[in-house]
Amino acid sequence: AQTVTQSQPEMSVQEAETVTLSCTYDTSENNYYLFWYKQPPSRQMILVIRQEAYKQQNATENRFSVNFQKAAKSFSLKISDSQLGDTAMYFCAFRLNRDDKIIFGKGTRLHILP
Amino acid sequence: GAVVSQHPSWVICKSGTSVKIECRSLDFQATTMFWYRQFPKQSLMLMATSNEGSKATYEQGVEKDKFLINHASLTLSTLTVTSAHPEDSSFYICSASREIYNEQFFGPGTRLTVL
Repeated sequence: AQTVTQSQPEMSVQEAETVTLSCTYDTSENNYYLFWYKQPPSRQMILVIRQEAYKQQNATENRFSVNFQKAAKSFSLKISDSQLGDTAMYFCAFRLNRDDKIIFGKGTRLHILP
Repeated sequence: GAVVSQHPSWVICKSGTSVKIECRSLDFQATTMFWYRQFPKQSLMLMATSNEGSKATYEQGVEKDKFLINHASLTLSTLTVTSAHPEDSSFYICSASREIYNEQFFGPGTRLTVL
């Protein structure tokens, strides 16, 4: 069975700083997908970034980038130049195939301080 | 785009009544839909996977008779909480998978409060 672990329940950083959220996972599969989702106070789940396991290159979306270490089963999210609107709950997630369920970590609550 | 809606966005009901929550894919056909439950300050927990025209697959520990799921069409799945009790109060979120994008899209969620 697959598991996703986020070891940082809560973090706070100053606006404009860089912050890294940690995530580890466990699976015996070789092909899978990893995600970071953002859940703001509205509670709408927003996809931040996605990484396919077969790709060695780390995914990047504007200020968001990941450090994907497949052998170590690590998938951290880096937010550069953090903004007040980045304040939210962030979930690391795992999925095998498109129609498979998504397995979520427990989340990291991120506060961006003005 | 790929938009998933849920209705209602919030509902308050009395203990013992049944509540139906709809999940619709507005601009695409969803072969598979998922229902999640989220308690305050906690993560999303999958309740069941729903495929159009077939019975839903429930996760271990989820009562099938209490949480009835019907996926009647490629754009609509419903979750009915039967004989609701205060402990069923939670935030319910659905997601739908879209073939072209190899992606799942989430609805905005439904807050259920059982008095």
